[in-house]
Amino acid sequence: GQNIDQPTEMTATEGAIVQINCTYQTSGFNGLFWYQQHAGEAPTFLSYNVLDGLEEKGRFSSFLSRSKGYSYLLLKELQMKDSASYLCAVRDSNYQLIWGAGTKLIIKP
Amino acid sequence: TAGITQAPTSQILAAGRSMTLRCTQDMRHNAMYWYRQDLGLGLRLIHYSNTAGTTGKGEVPDGYSVSRANTDDFPLTLASAVPSQTSVYFCASSEGTSGNEQFFGPGTRLTVL
Repeated sequence: GQNIDQPTEMTATEGAIVQINCTYQTSGFNGLFWYQQHAGEAPTFLSYNVLDGLEEKGRFSSFLSRSKGYSYLLLKELQMKDSASYLCAVRDSNYQLIWGAGTKLIIKP
Repeated sequence: TAGITQAPTSQILAAGRSMTLRCTQDMRHNAMYWYRQDLGLGLRLIHYSNTAGTTGKGEVPDGYSVSRANTDDFPLTLASAVPSQTSVYFCASSEGTSGNEQFFGPGTRLTVL
């Protein structure tokens, strides 16, 4: 079966750094996505990795290791507005996205 | 720029009734998708359409049907609603199936009693 695992909830302090991990087992791999979803809102795209390594975009970075079936999202200089759920998704051999249940990130002042 | 719109925003529906959730995009994207999101679960794909005139089944298609008569519209129909279809429904679109990003509508919160 196909499976995406990520922690259910994490807590971090404003101004700090947090790493959200995602492991996956899917039928085929055609890229990994991270989305942000604020409560009651739609998911919005954050990052895309298809090759191994780190992709940096401002305060957010995403890492991929295809051999390990592993990715992480790194958020730096945390702000209160970063309180949200972070969704990991893998595009499988049918080019459909398989989604993790999301990690709820709570930022404390 | 509207992007993707969904209607209604929320709905309470009696079990056994039918309902169509509407989705319209103005980005001329070829691919469109319907997902449901339930607490503790990831987004699950119900149906998809890679281009106007074609549709396909996702992970959880039972009880739902779709049509794609044109590029812009992708309605989702529940023929006879059941309480297990209580969920938040998101419509999404992308330029193509290999596009880097799916854009999501604001969602429809459906409660079936």
